[in-house]
Amino acid sequence: DQQVKQNSPSLSVQEGRISILNCDYTNSMFDYFLWYKKYPAEGPTFLISISSIKDKNEDGRFTVFLNKSAKHLSLHIVPSQPGDSAVYFCAASALGTDKLIFGTGTRLQVFP
Amino acid sequence: EAGVAQSPRYKIIEKRQSVAFWCNPISGHATLYWYQQILGQGPKLLIQFQNNGVVDDSQLPKDRFSAERLKGVDSTLKIQPAKLEDSAVYLCASSLPGTLIYEQYFGPGTRLTVT
Repeated sequence: DQQVKQNSPSLSVQEGRISILNCDYTNSMFDYFLWYKKYPAEGPTFLISISSIKDKNEDGRFTVFLNKSAKHLSLHIVPSQPGDSAVYFCAASALGTDKLIFGTGTRLQVFP
Repeated sequence: EAGVAQSPRYKIIEKRQSVAFWCNPISGHATLYWYQQILGQGPKLLIQFQNNGVVDDSQLPKDRFSAERLKGVDSTLKIQPAKLEDSAVYLCASSLPGTLIYEQYFGPGTRLTVT
């Protein structure tokens, strides 16, 4: 039972353009959502998060949007840079827990 | 500040053999997590420790997997006997208790291949 889904296993974007990574969830108890970035041979590193009381959170080139009614969130990277090439995981947690449920990841490739 | 350390980085074993992984969390981090990441999937929590006590091991296959955290610092995860489906990257993470959930810091992982 995959509670957090990333339906696009890969995405290729030209440098300078916008990258949009999508994530869907099924558990209505989730109230906190995170994006992690993972380079090969390294552990995931936290990128940006959003609470369910918000619909948008921005940090520099990274913006996360949350649509609770659709149980959908997205990560926008503008402008995309070659160093952004990595696997991006969406994760969620329920109120009162610190247990993260991860999606399957999307591999982003930013080409010159 | 030193990060989460894990060893070995890579391990290849035959099925039915035993294997152990070691994790040293960030100094002062009382909470420690072990995750399993199978190729093409996201990390899945296996076990969570608070100091040397188990908080959540609901996803740990206890017939073959065991973990301990002696003295509330280092931790070892053991698989005995290993199966082909145990091939994965095993990630260790740590955090301070009571911190925001994103403040889990991950180690580089141990890639296990079972043949």
